Amino acid sequence: ETGVTQTPRHLVMGMTNKKSLKCEQHLGHNAMYWYKQSAKKPLELMFVYSLEERVENNSVPSRFSPECPNSSHLFLHLHTLQPEDSALYLCASSQARTGGGSETQYFGPGTRLLVL
Amino acid sequence: AQKVTQAQTEISVVEKEDVTLDCVYETRDTTYYLFWYKQPPSGELVFLIRRNSFDEQNEISGRYSWNFQKSTSSFNFTITASQVVDSAVYFCALSESSYKLIFGSGTRLLVRP
Repeated sequence: ETGVTQTPRHLVMGMTNKKSLKCEQHLGHNAMYWYKQSAKKPLELMFVYSLEERVENNSVPSRFSPECPNSSHLFLHLHTLQPEDSALYLCASSQARTGGGSETQYFGPGTRLLVL
Repeated sequence: AQKVTQAQTEISVVEKEDVTLDCVYETRDTTYYLFWYKQPPSGELVFLIRRNSFDEQNEISGRYSWNFQKSTSSFNFTITASQVVDSAVYFCALSESSYKLIFGSGTRLLVRP
């Protein structure tokens, strides 16, 4: 596998389900990201992990819970979601930049989530 | 405040035409980075180019070229002799000293045969 992979690619879940999205990067990077892309909104950054520590959390509802067990893997745990959470969830990775911020972010193919 | 504006929501051209996608940005930082990404129907965001604020040289890569002008805060992207495979949504993005990438709303390009 190369680049950034995400599973599953498609997910349908009910509002009472619990599911997890998985992201894996094969680029040797040390920062990983979750983004949400809805139909009518620009890409929104949800969470950032750098060296396995969460460094940004952009006012995301608690029904989304990230986990970064190591620098190659990132999870997004989902529970009691709402229909408006239906979106494309994109994972990205990069090298953290010396002095702050990140180098170029490389994205995975995304998980298309539908909440019924 | 940081902001990226892509005023063209959708562009439709016939194959082999040249097309320019506009990007205007706002930032108060003197050090920043600008990016272009391509999102085909499959959904993956494909990295195309990164430019730092100190390098205003234009860049050409095959049929793609980029024009960075700090005086007008613009970073425009031109596809020469467009092809059907160029059909996608193109995003311009800005990064300052944080991890955050500020994306524009995207321009959907349709190249018709």
